[in-house]
Amino acid sequence: QVTLRESGPVLVKPTQTLTLTCTFSGFSLSDSGMRVSWIRQPPGKALEWLARIDWDDDKYYSTSLKSRLTISKDTSKNQVVLTMTNMDPVDTATYYCARIIKGATYPFYYYGMDVWGQGTTVTVSS
Amino acid sequence: DIVMTQSPLSLPVTPGEPASISCRSNQSLLYSNGYSYLDWYLQKPGKSPHLLIYLGTNRASRVPDRFSGSGSGTDFTLKISRVEAEDVGVYYCMQASQTPYTFGQGTKLEIK
Repeated sequence: QVTLRESGPVLVKPTQTLTLTCTFSGFSLSDSGMRVSWIRQPPGKALEWLARIDWDDDKYYSTSLKSRLTISKDTSKNQVVLTMTNMDPVDTATYYCARIIKGATYPFYYYGMDVWGQGTTVTVSS
Repeated sequence: DIVMTQSPLSLPVTPGEPASISCRSNQSLLYSNGYSYLDWYLQKPGKSPHLLIYLGTNRASRVPDRFSGSGSGTDFTLKISRVEAEDVGVYYCMQASQTPYTFGQGTKLEIK
C-alpha cells in the first residue's frame, strides 16, 4: 500500500523559512520513473503545483516560486523535503505531496499523480 | 508556462443527469508517442484531491465507469454519465506535458 504523509510547522512568521517533509511508504524513490511533487492550495483557492523531484535527482520548480523553493530527497529515509524561503501571508495554504510514476524511457508512459498525502496546513502570520 | 482553462466554473446538476466539464490548454499536450499528458482530479469537500483520469482518457484505479475522459492536443472533456450525490466537489484538470505542471481553475459541481 502506497502512502504519503506531510509534516511541518503549523505556523510560521513572515520572512521565515518553511521546511516541509513528505514521508512515504510502499515505493522507493530510487526506482526508475518514480517522482514526487509538492502542490499547495490557499484557502478557498485552486491547486498550485510547486515542485517535483525525480528518482535520478532531477528537480523542477514553479516558475513564479523558483527563487524561493528547494526540493531534496533522502532515499534511505523515504522522505522528500521542500523548503520555501521568505514566507509571506499569501503563502498560507494546505501543502500536499503526491507520487508520480512516469516512464524514464520511450514511450514515457505516465500514471498521473496517483497517490496524495492528506495535506498539512501552514499559516503565515506574525 | 502552459495555461489551462476550465469551463464552466460552477456546475449544478440533478442526480441521475449527465455532466460535462471542458478543459483547454494554450499549447498542445500531445506528444510524439501519441499520449496527451492531461489529468483530471476531484477534490471532495475537506479532502485531498484524488486522481480520476490520466493521459486524457484512462480511468485511474477504482474510479467508477460513469467517469470518462476524452480529447487530445488542446481540448479535453470530463464526462459523468449519471451524476451521483457523492460526486460533489471541485474538479481540476492538470497538464503534465511539461514542467512546471499547471492546473485549471477548478469546476465546482453541486447537486441541484
